[in-house]
Amino acid sequence: EAGVAQSPRYKIIEKRQSVAFWCNPISGHATLYWYQQILGQGPKLLIQFQNNGVVDDSQLPKDRFSAERLKGVDSTLKIQPAKLEDSAVYLCASSATSGGAYNEQFFGPGTRLTVL
Amino acid sequence: DQQVKQNSPSLSVQEGRISILNCDYTNSMFDYFLWYKKYPAEGPTFLISISSIKDKNEDGRFTVFLNKSAKHLSLHIVPSQPGDSAVYFCAASLNSGNTPLVFGKGTRLSVIA
Repeated sequence: EAGVAQSPRYKIIEKRQSVAFWCNPISGHATLYWYQQILGQGPKLLIQFQNNGVVDDSQLPKDRFSAERLKGVDSTLKIQPAKLEDSAVYLCASSATSGGAYNEQFFGPGTRLTVL
Repeated sequence: DQQVKQNSPSLSVQEGRISILNCDYTNSMFDYFLWYKKYPAEGPTFLISISSIKDKNEDGRFTVFLNKSAKHLSLHIVPSQPGDSAVYFCAASLNSGNTPLVFGKGTRLSVIA
């Protein structure tokens, strides 16, 4: 079974530029998460999708961050314009949906963003 | 507001000995707790979990203990192996199912041969 794929793996941009990250979850996983991990911190949720609908985007800085999952499969996360404090690893995770039991989240390798 | 706290940024243990990683949480509504392991340049991978209705869960060399009254959990690795060297994240969830995880800052474990 293929894991969660993310691209690019690394990105360096200057502040005020735009950047986009792509995630392909595990086949059949209805739930997709984007987390931001700043150096020295644990991952923090940015947005959660269930199929192509947003479940939780309460911690997404909506003035500069946007995300979509148009067909309920792949997802893109965009930052426009980027700030220095956006330097972090952006992790995508997916999980299956089954009633009741805990559904393990599988993480991709992440995209390391450096904003200069 | 750090709801999940790992107060030890790093831990060094000799091969074959026990590693004990600790985690505290503040939100009494958390219902499910997990440990993730992370190697450099890779995403976190699930290690072991425990429901709030239990106080212990064991999987091979890994055991997680939960003390709800103290809002504390710990991960025991016995015996520790060099391949266990990684960053360990404690995470919590408000319930089972598909809910986001709240992570601690992580503890870097180094197992010395």
